[in-house]
Amino acid sequence: DAKTTQPNSMESNEEEPVHLPCNHSTISGTDYIHWYRQLPSQGPEYVIHGLTSNVNNRMASLAIAEDRKSSTLILHRATLRDAAVYYCILRPLNNNAGNMLTFGGGTRLMVKP
Amino acid sequence: KAGVTQTPRYLIKTRGQQVTLSCSPISGHRSVSWYQQTPGQGLQFLFEYFSETQRNKGNFPGRFSGRQFSNSRSEMNVSTLELGDSALYLCASSLEVGLSYTFGSGTRLTVV
Repeated sequence: DAKTTQPNSMESNEEEPVHLPCNHSTISGTDYIHWYRQLPSQGPEYVIHGLTSNVNNRMASLAIAEDRKSSTLILHRATLRDAAVYYCILRPLNNNAGNMLTFGGGTRLMVKP
Repeated sequence: KAGVTQTPRYLIKTRGQQVTLSCSPISGHRSVSWYQQTPGQGLQFLFEYFSETQRNKGNFPGRFSGRQFSNSRSEMNVSTLELGDSALYLCASSLEVGLSYTFGSGTRLTVV
């Protein structure tokens, strides 16, 4: 299975942008890049996903490198409520392979007021 | 609309006992998955159900089992509990297999 590598932790100041990197050098052509986050005492929460093009939604933006070997989750203005563990996950397009989410260690984002 | 509901929220059991956890998915969602979260192993996939059929199973012993009912509600059962089964058990539902998942807040199981 293609794996992802993320920094263990990052710090950010409130109201500043945050760029959370993810390396996935063994990604296959049919793998989608998904991001989930887990706030304290809650289950994971879907953030965003993409295949090749950059994606934006109300929560964040996803920038995908041209060779797809890395991606960056961008929080445009971090708030204290964004403090969470962020997981970068690869999911195959082929449903027959199983659709479970394979979580790595994620990046613990700390936001300072 | 209501989110994914897991019951109970907290549970304390004794080694050797069995336990059943319940998950009610978002209305209309037909795919339900279960995950175990521990400080040492992180989040690990247990199994996934779609239309009452188990689609995939993670690398857990046979003591862990599950099922899904015709209304998409799901239960997981752990028999002969061990101390190492203490964990947060999370349920996630999806409209269809392969789409994004919505997670519940989990059931915190403590085995003593």
